[in-house]
Amino acid sequence: KAGVTQTPRYLIKTRGQQVTLSCSPISGHRSVSWYQQTPGQGLQFLFEYFSETQRNKGNFPGRFSGRQFSNSRSEMNVSTLELGDSALYLCASSLGSVVLANNEQFFGPGTRLTVL
Amino acid sequence: DAKTTQPNSMESNEEEPVHLPCNHSTISGTDYIHWYRQLPSQGPEYVIHGLTSNVNNRMASLAIAEDRKSSTLILHRATLRDAAVYYCILIIYSGAGSYQLTFGKGTKLSVIP
Repeated sequence: KAGVTQTPRYLIKTRGQQVTLSCSPISGHRSVSWYQQTPGQGLQFLFEYFSETQRNKGNFPGRFSGRQFSNSRSEMNVSTLELGDSALYLCASSLGSVVLANNEQFFGPGTRLTVL
Repeated sequence: DAKTTQPNSMESNEEEPVHLPCNHSTISGTDYIHWYRQLPSQGPEYVIHGLTSNVNNRMASLAIAEDRKSSTLILHRATLRDAAVYYCILIIYSGAGSYQLTFGKGTKLSVIP
């Protein structure tokens, strides 16, 4: 069974640009969650999509948005990039929604975003 | 807001048991405790989770204090492959389908051959 895949793996952008990251979940998984990981703040939850609906959102500005398609693939978009957005962006998929709290999440390898 | 507190780093000898602590003093009765670990250059990997009682699986055991304000991840026999950063995560249910995920800063476990 293929794992969670994320594209691209590395990305360099400049301030003010926007970026779109893609995540393909494990086949059959309907939940995709996104996380930001930085050395200073550690792991932080961005949002979760389940059956094409945003189920929950972390404490991030509106520049961070996402969507999920009918095949459960998800994209995350960051507009008007800032230097502080440089981070490893991880997505994770699970069978059920994270809110059920009994679901194991499977993480992808992440997309390393560098903002210059 | 809920907080989880973990030691920055720990060391263990190979083949010895390891006890990784996590304090979550603001936890309530419906908040789940999850543990994940992250190897270098990889995404986090699920280890174990629990609510009130102790849990065991093939990877580890999770001991939850009676007052639920702390938990301990137990690796029964550390191997070199267990060297990773271990994260304690709370899933805090706030009603109407909403929840909050609170991450610890992680404990970097070094395993000495």
